[in-house]
Amino acid sequence: GAVVSQHPSRVICKSGTSVKIECRSLDFQATTMFWYRQFPKQSLMLMATSNEGSKATYEQGVEKDKFLINHASLTLSTLTVTSAHPEDSSFYICSALRQPLTYGYTFGSGTRLTVV
Amino acid sequence: DQQVKQNSPSLSVQEGRISILNCDYTNSMFDYFLWYKKYPAEGPTFLISISSIKDKNEDGRFTVFLNKSAKHLSLHIVPSQPGDSAVYFCAASDGGAQKLVFGQGTRLTINP
Repeated sequence: GAVVSQHPSRVICKSGTSVKIECRSLDFQATTMFWYRQFPKQSLMLMATSNEGSKATYEQGVEKDKFLINHASLTLSTLTVTSAHPEDSSFYICSALRQPLTYGYTFGSGTRLTVV
Repeated sequence: DQQVKQNSPSLSVQEGRISILNCDYTNSMFDYFLWYKKYPAEGPTFLISISSIKDKNEDGRFTVFLNKSAKHLSLHIVPSQPGDSAVYFCAASDGGAQKLVFGQGTRLTINP
């Protein structure tokens, strides 16, 4: 079955530093990947849609300059949280869409980011 | 504006009985619906989906029902097992946008 690998699973960083999270589709090509954020006991909120070879599409209210998304290949998308602050601490999850749509969306295992 | 709503934050069911999780949506453009199971600090795991051209889809112990006129879907798990204890999210998408919109989740607890 489709597998999406997300790394790191946990990261602690200092305020003001940047953190990169990788999302890889291991056994299929994904032209579209998605980045979500989940606060404790809340829903998964879509942050942006990452399209291979083009700019990401950000949801309303998500800062493009803070959450940099790069989808340089059909199997890799990265999310970089720049100049991280404690309020950026959250659980970040990526998913990859395997076409056709009936294959569905496969999610990574998530990254717990803690900014201290 | 919450386009996908799961109004029950939690549900407790006896092992062996049926678990019914509900989900309502407001966007009539949604044409594909999915249920995911999630454990803490893990990504969601796909359970079952349904297209808007159907009103029922079954896969083993899991059945999803879709009532388009009511903009309501439900997930039935029977018989419920302790390993089913998790948070369940329903999600919806419209074919054009492809992105998923998630409900708030329902924490299901199966009691032995």
